[in-house]
Amino acid sequence: EVQVVQSGAEVKKPGAIVKISCKVSGYTFTDHFFHWLQQAPGNGLEWMGLLDPEDGETLYAPKFRGRVTITADTSVDTAYLEMNSLRSEVTAVYYCAISKGRDGAFDVWGQGTMVTVSS
Amino acid sequence: QSVLTQPPSASGTPGQRVTISCSGGSSNIGSNSVNWYQHLPGTAPRLLIYKNNQRPSGVPDRFSGSKSGDSASLAISGLQSDDEADYYCASWDDSLNGPVVFGGGTRLTVL
Repeated sequence: EVQVVQSGAEVKKPGAIVKISCKVSGYTFTDHFFHWLQQAPGNGLEWMGLLDPEDGETLYAPKFRGRVTITADTSVDTAYLEMNSLRSEVTAVYYCAISKGRDGAFDVWGQGTMVTVSS
Repeated sequence: QSVLTQPPSASGTPGQRVTISCSGGSSNIGSNSVNWYQHLPGTAPRLLIYKNNQRPSGVPDRFSGSKSGDSASLAISGLQSDDEADYYCASWDDSLNGPVVFGGGTRLTVL
C-alpha cells in the first residue's frame, strides 16, 4: 500500500526557517513526482511546486518561486519543503501529494502539516 | 484570485443530483485534462476524478466528470450526507500561470 506521511506541526517566529518532510512507502521512490500545496486559513488549495525525484528537477508556481525550496533524499524516501524568511502570511497547512507523471493527478496525499508563524 | 473559476458554494438534498462547474481557458482546461479532488476539513484531500472523467478505484460511480472546451463539470448523483465537503478542480497550465492551477473550491452542503 502506498503511504505518504508528513512531519508534525511547526511553530516558528517571523524570519525563521522551516523544513517539513514527506516520507513515502509502498512503491519505488523515483516512480512518482512530489508536489507541495498550501492551504491558508479560510482559503482553498494552492499548488506550490513539484519535484522529479529521479533527477531532482523542480518547478514552482510564480507566487512561490524564490520563496520555497523543494528537495528530496532518495536514501530515506523523503521529500522536503523548506521556507525561509518566514512571515505571518505563511501560516497554513501544507500538503504533500504524489503523481505518476509530471502532469498527472495527485493520487495519494499526506495528512498535512500545520505551520504557524507567530512572534 | 484562482486561475480556474468555481462557484463558492453548492447545495442539494439527499438523493438529489448536483453539478459543480469549473471554468478555465485555452492554456489550461482547453488543452489539458482536468482532475477533481474532495476535501473534508481536517483530512487529507482525495482524488475523485482524473483525466476529465476517470474514477480511481474505490470512488463510487455516483461521481462523474466531464469536459467541454475550456470548462469542466463534476456531477454527484444520489447525494449523501457524507458528500458534504469542499471540491476542487485542477489542471495543468501551459502559460506563465502554471504549471498546475486550481479552482478556488466549492463548498457542498447537503441540506
